[in-house]
Amino acid sequence: GAVVSQHPSWVICKSGTSVKIECRSLDFQATTMFWYRQFPKQSLMLMATSNEGSKATYEQGVEKDKFLINHASLTLSTLTVTSAHPEDSSFYICSGTQGWAETQYFGPGTRLLVL
Amino acid sequence: AQTVTQSQPEMSVQEAETVTLSCTYDTSESDYYLFWYKQPPSRQMILVIRQEAYKQQNATENRFSVNFQKAAKSFSLKISDSQLGDAAMYFCAYRSAGDSNYQLIWGAGTKLIIKP
Repeated sequence: GAVVSQHPSWVICKSGTSVKIECRSLDFQATTMFWYRQFPKQSLMLMATSNEGSKATYEQGVEKDKFLINHASLTLSTLTVTSAHPEDSSFYICSGTQGWAETQYFGPGTRLLVL
Repeated sequence: AQTVTQSQPEMSVQEAETVTLSCTYDTSESDYYLFWYKQPPSRQMILVIRQEAYKQQNATENRFSVNFQKAAKSFSLKISDSQLGDAAMYFCAYRSAGDSNYQLIWGAGTKLIIKP
């Protein structure tokens, strides 16, 4: 299957700082990438969908100015959590799809802890 | 709007035995895709199996197979010869074939425990 990487896998930051998470498709061109948030023992909650070269589409309730998403190339999308607060602590997962293909391939996730 | 329901929060099975995880969905569409993803303790989401709604034949991948009942809107996952490495959360997901955003609709998940 296709491979997606995420970096960093773990990040601890102070409240008020910004954190950037990278998501890369290693062996395919991800025309569409997704960012999810997952709380313990729960399913994935879609935050936003991004198409290469376009602005991301955010789900209802997700603050665009807080969670900045950039999908500048067919292999890279970034999620920046701006002015992070403890309530932003969570597990963030990205996925990519080749667009026409029906399957999403997932990165290993990033654990964010805001102190 | 489409919904996906996994009615079993937790299932357990003896190693080497067979277990079936349930998934039902609601949709008015006729063309769509269904998936089972596995999330082990590492939390890496792994595709287990997928099914195209237009195909009558049930998908299989080695020890994993599905029972796809389109009229009943049911999509269960059967795991044969269960192994310790199968212990994980299993998520059922739906994707509309007509959705240009390719979003997945997720079930709540079933935790599978393998007893040695």
